[in-house]
Amino acid sequence: QKEVEQNSGPLSVPEGAIASLNCTYSDRGSQSFFWYRQYSGKSPELIMFIYSNGDKEDGRFTAQLNKASQYVSLLIRDSQPSDSATYLCAVVGNQGGKLIFGQGTELSVKP
Amino acid sequence: NAGVTQTPKFQVLKTGQSMTLQCAQDMNHNSMYWYRQDPGMGLRLIYYSASEGTTDKGEVPNGYNVSRLNKREFSLRLESAAPSQTSVYFCASRQGAQETQYFGPGTRLLVL
Repeated sequence: QKEVEQNSGPLSVPEGAIASLNCTYSDRGSQSFFWYRQYSGKSPELIMFIYSNGDKEDGRFTAQLNKASQYVSLLIRDSQPSDSATYLCAVVGNQGGKLIFGQGTELSVKP
Repeated sequence: NAGVTQTPKFQVLKTGQSMTLQCAQDMNHNSMYWYRQDPGMGLRLIYYSASEGTTDKGEVPNGYNVSRLNKREFSLRLESAAPSQTSVYFCASRQGAQETQYFGPGTRLLVL
């Protein structure tokens, strides 16, 4: 089992819809969780981080964390074509505090 | 504030050649990382340096060496390049384990 797993997609949603991206992790001791966005040919950039169970909202983005079920999700409301990118879930593991990445989910928002 | 910088941006090597990828950060971060990214494989950690003077292997260290020259700079060396090392290489840095990690723009390496 991979340490951090994401559905690679592609996930296609119409403009204005809600995009839901999911991530599961295997290390029950993980404390910090990050979502990065990566446009084609560019480097990853941070969208959100979450440390506590529950929801964290920032504009159109909401991160949800459920430590008991070991999953973290990212919701994008009112999706725009400019949101089309690969979204990477990352988890700080217990071994040396390294950031472990999932393989990423490709999101395509159709006008 | 330039953040994390990497050189070169693009490089073509022949099998067996050597090269060093350079990375520098101006955010006074303690930790620095080297990743490679291949299609469908996500970001895989090659080596990291938790603090100045220390380096440790990541998930895919074979064929690479690193040097943490000082707090700012962390270089990645390929001693004898192989076609399997064709990839995009990202350097990253962060202050602490719970802090945001920032990435450089990447180096595209093609080994023929």
